[in-house]
Amino acid sequence: AQSVTQLGSHVSVSEGALVLLRCNYSSSVPPYLFWYVQYPNQGLQLLLKYTTGATLVKGINGFEAEFKKSETSFHLTKPSAHMSDAAEYFCGVIYSGAGSYQLTFGKGTKLSVIP
Amino acid sequence: DTGVSQDPRHKITKRGQNVTFRCDPISEHNRLYWYRQTLGQGPEFLTYFQNEAQLEKSRLLSDRFSAERPKGSFSTLEIQRTEQGDSAMYLCASSLAVGGAEETQYFGPGTRLLVL
Repeated sequence: AQSVTQLGSHVSVSEGALVLLRCNYSSSVPPYLFWYVQYPNQGLQLLLKYTTGATLVKGINGFEAEFKKSETSFHLTKPSAHMSDAAEYFCGVIYSGAGSYQLTFGKGTKLSVIP
Repeated sequence: DTGVSQDPRHKITKRGQNVTFRCDPISEHNRLYWYRQTLGQGPEFLTYFQNEAQLEKSRLLSDRFSAERPKGSFSTLEIQRTEQGDSAMYLCASSLAVGGAEETQYFGPGTRLLVL
């Protein structure tokens, strides 16, 4: 079965420290990969996405992610955490060969930023 | 450019009642999606429309759930005979079809349903 795994339901970092949120997917076909952020009581906002081409993708708010096919990973990073980054982050996948448009999400990682 | 809007933002109902939610997509977006998000989980796909045609339905969408998009613009999601397990955030998203599944889905703020 196709799935998305986000390692760590809760990650805490100090302000100014590196942020690393992990995402692994299972797929036998090329995926389209997305990272969304969700603030409390709000919908999801797209941070970045990978479809084709360059495997290092830059997004909004200083975030970036690298698609590694050999590791089936799409980890999200930010060099220096800011207090405003505290939110929940969801990795999502669309399996391009499935003829489907549904986003399959991981369970999410809640990021806390310690001042 | 206004984003995706959903109404109501919150709904409290008693078990057995029917509820209906509305989603207005970004104008010109021809694809519209419904997802459900329960506490501590990521959103789960329910159904999607291209224009007025409902093209995909998840097995999560039981017979008590029905979605429509009659004129290819706004959509409604109705839940009949609500159960406590229906308590969740219902998210709507829209996208502009550019040929494949890689287009970005833009999400609304959600409707939070509580069934007592």
